[in-house]
Amino acid sequence: AQKITQTQPGMFVQEKEAVTLDCTYDTSDPSYGLFWYKQPSSGEMIFLIYQGSYDQQNATEGRYSLNFQKARKSANLVISASQLGDSAMYFCAMREAKAAGNKLTFGGGTRVLVKP
Amino acid sequence: DSGVTQTPKHLITATGQRVTLRCSPRSGDLSVYWYQQSLDQGLQFLIQYYNGEERAKGNILERFSAQQFPDLHSELNLSSLELGDSALYFCASSVEATSGETQYFGPGTRLLVL
Repeated sequence: AQKITQTQPGMFVQEKEAVTLDCTYDTSDPSYGLFWYKQPSSGEMIFLIYQGSYDQQNATEGRYSLNFQKARKSANLVISASQLGDSAMYFCAMREAKAAGNKLTFGGGTRVLVKP
Repeated sequence: DSGVTQTPKHLITATGQRVTLRCSPRSGDLSVYWYQQSLDQGLQFLIQYYNGEERAKGNILERFSAQQFPDLHSELNLSSLELGDSALYFCASSVEATSGETQYFGPGTRLLVL
């Protein structure tokens, strides 16, 4: 079974509007962390936001916020006031505390294209 | 700029050859990770080192090996290269190797095997 599922392969969003990127995960480990990374066309992976499984509040970082629904095992990324520079691939990733080392398991990604 | 550096940026080589990818972690980071991003497999964890010692292994082929040196830089060696090894190879680093640590990625090395 896939540990991280991103069901939206691609989506368009109008500039200045908000967009929600879906991410569901599968783990039996009670302690885990969820991450979102952005990969622009240049290829680098840019860390956006982190949510720990025991965090009481949803994480926010500037225009990025994480809609964390633990019971549903979902960790959707919300980008507010989209900008042209937000056009990129977005990856959801998970780290499980019980897994050996500190590895990240990634979803397949969602490509976002912001329209002017 | 994440502070993680990788060289070279691009690498073109032939099947059967051997290459070495180099990574310097962010200042102060002790843990280094290698990931492979390919069209068919997506982003996959290969191996992790912490302060010179191997910490975890993922889907790393036997033809691939890595090490972390006393100055904490790391090298990923890929040998007997095949067409399917063409991919973007990322190095990432974090301060330690504990849960909750954010991994910061380098710009990647794009490998093309012809």
